[in-house]
Amino acid sequence: GAVVSQHPSRVICKSGTSVKIECRSLDFQATTMFWYRQFPKQSLMLMATSNEGSKATYEQGVEKDKFLINHASLTLSTLTVTSAHPEDSSFYICSAMDSSNQPQHFGDGTRLSIL
Amino acid sequence: GEDVEQSLFLSVREGDSSVINCTYTDSSSTYLYWYKQEPGAGLQLLTYIFSNMDMKQDQRLTVLLNKKDKHLSLRIADTQTGDSAIYFCAVLMDSNYQLIWGAGTKLIIKP
Repeated sequence: GAVVSQHPSRVICKSGTSVKIECRSLDFQATTMFWYRQFPKQSLMLMATSNEGSKATYEQGVEKDKFLINHASLTLSTLTVTSAHPEDSSFYICSAMDSSNQPQHFGDGTRLSIL
Repeated sequence: GEDVEQSLFLSVREGDSSVINCTYTDSSSTYLYWYKQEPGAGLQLLTYIFSNMDMKQDQRLTVLLNKKDKHLSLRIADTQTGDSAIYFCAVLMDSNYQLIWGAGTKLIIKP
């Protein structure tokens, strides 16, 4: 079946650094990719929707300058957490859909820990 | 490991009630969620229930939880065409706080 690969699965870094997370669709063309954040003991929150070749649409309350999203190809979207701080520590999950919009496939997530 | 199951499709007439069912295997889950995905859109949290509750009602939505049978359901009263979407059941793993997802139930509304 369709697979979405997310990398890295875990990252630990110092406060102030920038972290890039990759989301790849391995066997289909992902026209739309989504980025989610999951806070501890809470559910998933949609951060942004990205369509290949266009700017991402961010949900209310999500800082676009803080969370840079690039969807330059039909198989790759990246989320860059800029100047990360401890409050950015979280579990980040991407998902992808092809042009038929069904179904949505999830990556395994990235656990980001900022010291 | 943890498994969450849902039927793939549900077809109802406009104005009727829709009941979407979900079963899970991890009895220690504290939070159970229902998400909605409209065509072309990302997941949106619809409602959730704590494991110490049997029922939660929010306007047209009613969530029922049977912990003994590990069964969760979402009832949508007076189903409208705007309710057409895929509904995902998700269970939070207490061991690592990750969400385990069902495959999603596509709700089809007949006029």
